[in-house]
Amino acid sequence: DIKMTQSPSSMYASLGERVTITCKASQDINSYLSWFQQKPGKSPKTLIYRANRLVDGVPSRFSGSGSGQDYSLTISSLEYEDMGIYYCLQYDEFPRTFGGGTKLEIK
Amino acid sequence: QVQLQQPGAELVKPGAPVKLSCKASGYTFTSYWMNWVKQRPGRGLEWIGRIDPSDSETHYNQKFKGKATLTVDESSSTAYMQLSSLTSEDSAVYYCASRYFAYWGQGTLVTVSA
Repeated sequence: DIKMTQSPSSMYASLGERVTITCKASQDINSYLSWFQQKPGKSPKTLIYRANRLVDGVPSRFSGSGSGQDYSLTISSLEYEDMGIYYCLQYDEFPRTFGGGTKLEIK
Repeated sequence: QVQLQQPGAELVKPGAPVKLSCKASGYTFTSYWMNWVKQRPGRGLEWIGRIDPSDSETHYNQKFKGKATLTVDESSSTAYMQLSSLTSEDSAVYYCASRYFAYWGQGTLVTVSA
C-alpha cells in the first residue's frame, strides 16, 4: 500500500498568515492527489484534485502543488473559517490511502 | 442539487451485521463509482472500497475483505455496504463518497454495543 505521510500533524497560525501543509507519498503517485478539509461533526469537503486543480466554489486562497512523491496545500492568507483538519488522498493505486491529517488552529 | 443521503446512526449488537445505505440524487447514479470511507472517533480516514453502479464491479481494501460487502440498487439509486460480525473496532462513522470524492454523504455513525 502507498503510505501518505502528512506534516505537520497539527499547527497554530495567525489570521492572514500563509500556511503550507505537505504530503509525501511512499512512491510516485502521478499527481493523483486530492486535498480535503473537515470540520467537527461534518463530512470532508474536497478542495483540490489532481494535485493542483481547485474545486468550483473553493476560495482562491487555497492552492495545491507538487509532483512525483511530494505535494503541498497552501492557504495564502488564513481566515477564521479555515480552521479544521486537512487530509490528503492518493488515488493513483488501490487501495486509496489518506494522509494522517493536519489539525489547523487559529493562534 | 447533488445529495448523498445516509441514515444518521445505527446501534448494533456485537456479532451482528448491519447494512448501511447511501441514496444518491441530483446526478446520474451510474456515472460515478461510489466509495465508502471509515472514520473512527478522533481518527483519520480509511478507504474501504468502491463499486461501479453501472455493473457492480468492486474494488476492496484488503483490510476490509470479509468485513464489508458493497452492492447497489440501480432502480432506487442507492448504494449499500454490509458490515459483518461487528465488534467494537467497527464503531465508527461511515461515509459514502462519489464523483472522485467530490460528493460526500453526511455519514452514518455505527455504534456496536450490547
